[in-house]
Amino acid sequence: DIQMTQSPSTLSASVGDRVTITCRASQSIGPWVAWYQQKPGKAPKVLIYKASTLESGVPSRFSGSESGSEFTLTISSLQPDDSASYYCQHYNSYPFSFGQGTKLEI
Amino acid sequence: EVQLVESGRGLVLPGGSLRLSCTASGFTFSSYAMSWVRQAPGKGLEWISGIRGSGDDAFYADSVKGRFTISRDNSKNTLYLQVNNLRVDDTAVYFCARIAAVGYFDHWGQGTLVTVSS
Repeated sequence: DIQMTQSPSTLSASVGDRVTITCRASQSIGPWVAWYQQKPGKAPKVLIYKASTLESGVPSRFSGSESGSEFTLTISSLQPDDSASYYCQHYNSYPFSFGQGTKLEI
Repeated sequence: EVQLVESGRGLVLPGGSLRLSCTASGFTFSSYAMSWVRQAPGKGLEWISGIRGSGDDAFYADSVKGRFTISRDNSKNTLYLQVNNLRVDDTAVYFCARIAAVGYFDHWGQGTLVTVSS
């Protein structure tokens, strides 16, 4: 089974900062990675799919990239509303799996 | 508008069973694969099961294989998760999610809480 190792587990930053969150896959999975944002008590919301494609309606300050088996979510200019937990997920094949999550504090 | 609404929350004794439902609207249900994802209190997301649009193929995480069964009734636009032999560590919010054509989860329900405790 494919494991997704996500880092860091927590991140503290300020409004306007640029932050990156990384996931490493345990084997080659192509671009089949999505990134989700989750706020307390709410369902996750997709931000990025196919490693770098922005979901419709998601602000352009969110971006994704891929380098081999390493995937990165970047928020270019943090806003107060970005305070949340973020998860990567692979969907290359079943069983799917998520990274451990990153809690972002603004 | 796509909507997914879970039901079946409850407090269950260890070893007990429960059936969760997810009623879909706003899209052609039979055209989409669906999944269940859970989140234990204060923990991360865990994918646990998926099923193709036709219902012919089902997939499970090792943590639930043999105890949980996913199914769907396309005539009722409803996804199910039969959970048996529940353990304390199955306590979680259970989300249903639609799988987009390219494979990621593009819509989620609000979640339903299952508590396993004596």
